[in-house]
Amino acid sequence: AQSVSQHNHHVILSEAASLELGCNYSYGGTVNLFWYVQYPGQHLQLLLKYFSGDPLVKGIKGFEAEFIKSKFSFNLRKPSVQWSDTAEYFCAVYRGSTLGRLYFGRGTQLTVWP
Amino acid sequence: GAVVSQHPSWVICKSGTSVKIECRSLDFQATTMFWYRQFPKQSLMLMATSNEGSKATYEQGVEKDKFLINHASLTLSTLTVTSAHPEDSSFYICSARGGDYRYQYFGPGTRLTVL
Repeated sequence: AQSVSQHNHHVILSEAASLELGCNYSYGGTVNLFWYVQYPGQHLQLLLKYFSGDPLVKGIKGFEAEFIKSKFSFNLRKPSVQWSDTAEYFCAVYRGSTLGRLYFGRGTQLTVWP
Repeated sequence: GAVVSQHPSWVICKSGTSVKIECRSLDFQATTMFWYRQFPKQSLMLMATSNEGSKATYEQGVEKDKFLINHASLTLSTLTVTSAHPEDSSFYICSARGGDYRYQYFGPGTRLTVL
């Protein structure tokens, strides 16, 4: 079955710790990859995306992600988290052309303690 | 740019009544809009895809007669939950897609509580 897997359901870190959230997908062919963030009580916002080119992409708020095609992975990283990074993080894969759709992972809740 | 609004942000209704949720793209024309449902601590589940002027395409398992979707213009789509029951209580999120088909812009969501 087609899927997007986020291995960590809940991650708890202290401020200044490094973060890596895993994301794997099971689609072949061309994919467009996204990480979205949902802060408490707010709507989904785009953190970063990968369409093509440099597999290491940088997003907002110091986040970055690396696309490893051979591993079907698109892990999210941040060297030093802040309390304000507490949120739900969703990996998503866009598959298809103009009639395609997003496939979301189940999400990872990140809690950062000050 | 690329702002999507939803109205209302929350609604409480009695079982058996119908509720309409609006999704608007404020500064772009949305050829396609999507409706999602999100349960607590869970991911977004796509309910249906609607293209302006066409009938919505529903995902497997979503009752089209219960969740009526209308996309009458390039800036407005509505989701009507008909004869709502407590199990329909959830967070409903819409998103809109404009010129670049890879990007979706999400609304803030509507919290529906059916008593």
